[in-house]
Amino acid sequence: EAGVTQFPSHSVIEKGQTVTLRCDPISGHDNLYWYRRVMGKEIKFLLHFVKESKQDESGMPNNRFLAERTGGTYSTLKVQPAELEDSGVYFCASSQGWGRGTNEKLFFGSGTQLSVL
Amino acid sequence: DAKTTQPNSMESNEEEPVHLPCNHSTISGTDYIHWYRQLPSQGPEYVIHGLTSNVNNRMASLAIAEDRKSSTLILHRATLRDAAVYYCILRSGGSYIPTFGRGTSLIVHP
Repeated sequence: EAGVTQFPSHSVIEKGQTVTLRCDPISGHDNLYWYRRVMGKEIKFLLHFVKESKQDESGMPNNRFLAERTGGTYSTLKVQPAELEDSGVYFCASSQGWGRGTNEKLFFGSGTQLSVL
Repeated sequence: DAKTTQPNSMESNEEEPVHLPCNHSTISGTDYIHWYRQLPSQGPEYVIHGLTSNVNNRMASLAIAEDRKSSTLILHRATLRDAAVYYCILRSGGSYIPTFGRGTSLIVHP
């Protein structure tokens, strides 16, 4: 069974440009999460989808970030326009069932390393 | 939200047992204790979880204190591949989003 896949694995862009990150969760997983790690900091939650609906986007830093999950399958995270402080590793995770399962496992992708110059 | 406290780093020798501690003194009765680890250049990986009883799986064991205010992740025989950052996370119905702290960086010496 395929795991969570993310692409690109690396992206280098200039300040002011737009970047779109994609995440394909494990097939059948209703829950999809986005996290990011900025250099030297902890892994921080960004948002959570249940199927195509945003359940919690309290971690989104500002309105330059837009996440979508078309048809409840793959998700995209767009940063427009990108700023220097957006550099970091963006992780996607998925899990089965409805979001409030406190004993369910999250499966993570390998992340997208975003560098904004 | 209930928080966890872990040592910043620990060291071990290969093929020796490793006990990674986690304090969670404000844990509530419905909080599950989860452990994840992050190998270099990879996303976090689920290790184990439990509620009250000790748990074993192919990767590790989880020992939970009787008062549930602390837990210990046990790697029975550390390998070089176990060098990673280990995160102890509480998941509750009120705050079900897994929240990562700084974790414990495990260094394994050959």
